[in-house]
Amino acid sequence: QSALTQPASVSGSPGQSITISCTGTGSDIGTYNLVSWFQQHPGKAPKLMIYEVSQRPSGVSSRFSGSKSGNTASLTISGLQAEDEADYYCCSYAGSTSSVFGGGTKVTVL
Amino acid sequence: QVQLVQSGAEVKKPGSSVKVSCKASGGTFSTYVFSWVRQAPGQGLEWMGRIIPLFGTTFYAQKFQDKVKISADESTSTASLELSSLRSEDTAVYFCAEGSYSNFDYWGQGTLVTVSS
Repeated sequence: QSALTQPASVSGSPGQSITISCTGTGSDIGTYNLVSWFQQHPGKAPKLMIYEVSQRPSGVSSRFSGSKSGNTASLTISGLQAEDEADYYCCSYAGSTSSVFGGGTKVTVL
Repeated sequence: QVQLVQSGAEVKKPGSSVKVSCKASGGTFSTYVFSWVRQAPGQGLEWMGRIIPLFGTTFYAQKFQDKVKISADESTSTASLELSSLRSEDTAVYFCAEGSYSNFDYWGQGTLVTVSS
């Protein structure tokens, strides 16, 4: 199972919106509405931000939203804040009880 | 609220094995699904495999099939990851996570395994 494809980096100014893409195949993102997004600050464990494409866990800011079209999922962060600077990873169920992560995207707040 | 507490950092010689544990609390162990995720230094997250304790079934990413063994012990509410034939490339932080499919709601703090002669 190959890793999902994410841009290495995305940046934006405070208050702006940014979108991170996550491209898979018809065997993972294209088939299952089981895409999650994780935020990871340096030296910390990942934190679930979005699950099942667009669902937000309790306590996660509504500034984070997810969507999917075909084999590509997207995470949008609106009203960018300094605390959003982190690495972001997508993850998809890939059938046969396997999962696959994206390579990660470093978000920089300018 | 599920809490996952992992065992401490390890330093191992090449060729040896290591077992990393993940103790769960705050819920019913038999309902958990545990995954293990690797993060090499400066690299991204890699899903290694999962165990469903209720059924005792394990599933591994093809890349790790010959490298890891995942187990769970309900009596101690602990999931474990055993890595064999360690090489320098296995140096990484290993995370346990709980959740089905890709919905990893809860994470352990991570365990650094360093392989060095």
